[in-house]
Amino acid sequence: DTGVSQDPRHKITKRGQNVTFRCDPISEHNRLYWYRQTLGQGPEFLTYFQNEAQLEKSRLLSDRFSAERPKGSFSTLEIQRTEQGDSAMYLCASSRSKLTGQSSYNSPLHFGNGTRLTVT
Amino acid sequence: TQLLEQSPQFLSIQEGENLTVYCNSSSVFSSLQWYRQEPGEGPVLLVTVVTGGEVKKLKRLTFQFGDARKDSSLHITAAQPGDTGLYLCAGTGANNLFFGTGTRLTVIP
Repeated sequence: DTGVSQDPRHKITKRGQNVTFRCDPISEHNRLYWYRQTLGQGPEFLTYFQNEAQLEKSRLLSDRFSAERPKGSFSTLEIQRTEQGDSAMYLCASSRSKLTGQSSYNSPLHFGNGTRLTVT
Repeated sequence: TQLLEQSPQFLSIQEGENLTVYCNSSSVFSSLQWYRQEPGEGPVLLVTVVTGGEVKKLKRLTFQFGDARKDSSLHITAAQPGDTGLYLCAGTGANNLFFGTGTRLTVIP
């Protein structure tokens, strides 16, 4: 299976601890996105990368959150000093973006199955 | 923030019934997508609509994009238990997707 994979699938941590999640995108995809989803709601955009460059960050991404994609392949999302309000499903998605003349083409997003974080 | 409101939020129907889910926004989107998400999994793309007034059919699912490209609807004919899930609309921004609030559908056998 060459889809988007996320690790771990579940993480339970105590308030104040740091956690790190990993996302491996589809290999030929140059864009990688992180979303957060709480129960029964739609995903909320956090940040995205084009290759290794982090091009956009949501205001939802507080100083305790940091994302990296050092070699333009896999990405990590770290949450420092976790709070109970951080409990959510963290979704990663990837897509292929290509410049064609003066316009750009963005393929549909392919999502992983997420990492469910529970902060106790 | 480009807010997409979906209605209804919850829908529980009997197998064989028809239903419509709505997705509304005050913003114009270049395209709009519909996803279905099952528990413990990521959203899976169903369809992308691009042109105002466009109608796309996917078996028993009919998707329509509003003329002004601010709203969309999803109609399911003769719902089946396998249609159960969270249906999400998503508007395409410059570089990412803005998801709606979601409609949780339960089809009772």
